[in-house]
Amino acid sequence: DIVMTQSPDSLAVSLGERATINCKSSQSVLYSSNKKNYLAWYQQKPGQPPKVLIYWASARESGVPDRFSGSGSGTDFTLTISSLQAEDVAVYYCQQYYSTPFTFGQGTKLEIK
Amino acid sequence: QVQLQESGPGLVKPSQTLSLTCTVSGGSLSSGGYYWSWIRQHPGKGLEWIGYIYYSGSTYYNPSLKSRVTMSVDTSKNQFSLKLSSVTAADTAVYYCARANTVLEPFTYWGQGTLVTVSS
Repeated sequence: DIVMTQSPDSLAVSLGERATINCKSSQSVLYSSNKKNYLAWYQQKPGQPPKVLIYWASARESGVPDRFSGSGSGTDFTLTISSLQAEDVAVYYCQQYYSTPFTFGQGTKLEIK
Repeated sequence: QVQLQESGPGLVKPSQTLSLTCTVSGGSLSSGGYYWSWIRQHPGKGLEWIGYIYYSGSTYYNPSLKSRVTMSVDTSKNQFSLKLSSVTAADTAVYYCARANTVLEPFTYWGQGTLVTVSS
């Protein structure tokens, strides 16, 4: 299984400041044939299911604010929120869909400082 | 807009079989080549993918649960189902059904989730 490890486990950021969450996979999730990274980021608010924000490591899902961006390749990935808003308080997960069983990171809890 | 809704007992006794159904609305389960998954989340914890089923009935289960999992699909009712046998307290979790556009894509549609508690 591909193990996904996120850092930090929790993060407190001031409103309007940048938030950065890291995700590392135990093996590469980059398919050489199509140069795509099979990595997604999800946001989960209390009492709700996860919502996909980013896929292919850096493609933003329709309707997701452009303050959310994803970067990285191979085994190291980052989710960046450029200017934190109150509604961004949530738990964020990375997930690899490169191979089964699909696996998620342990989650990063983002709070307001 | 596709919607998924889980249903089933919220309380299951230890050693019994957990049975859940996901009803798909706003689209046909058998069209588009989509893959339909079950994912669970232990209370206050992360996400665990249980497995997927294709409309044809082909399945793939997480090896960690494979010996206890059975998934099925009923295209006439636009539903797919999960059975997890020999449950213990460790199976207490919120169970989600979800859809991916193809087998190697993220989960773009999710149900609201249903809490299943295993307790006598």
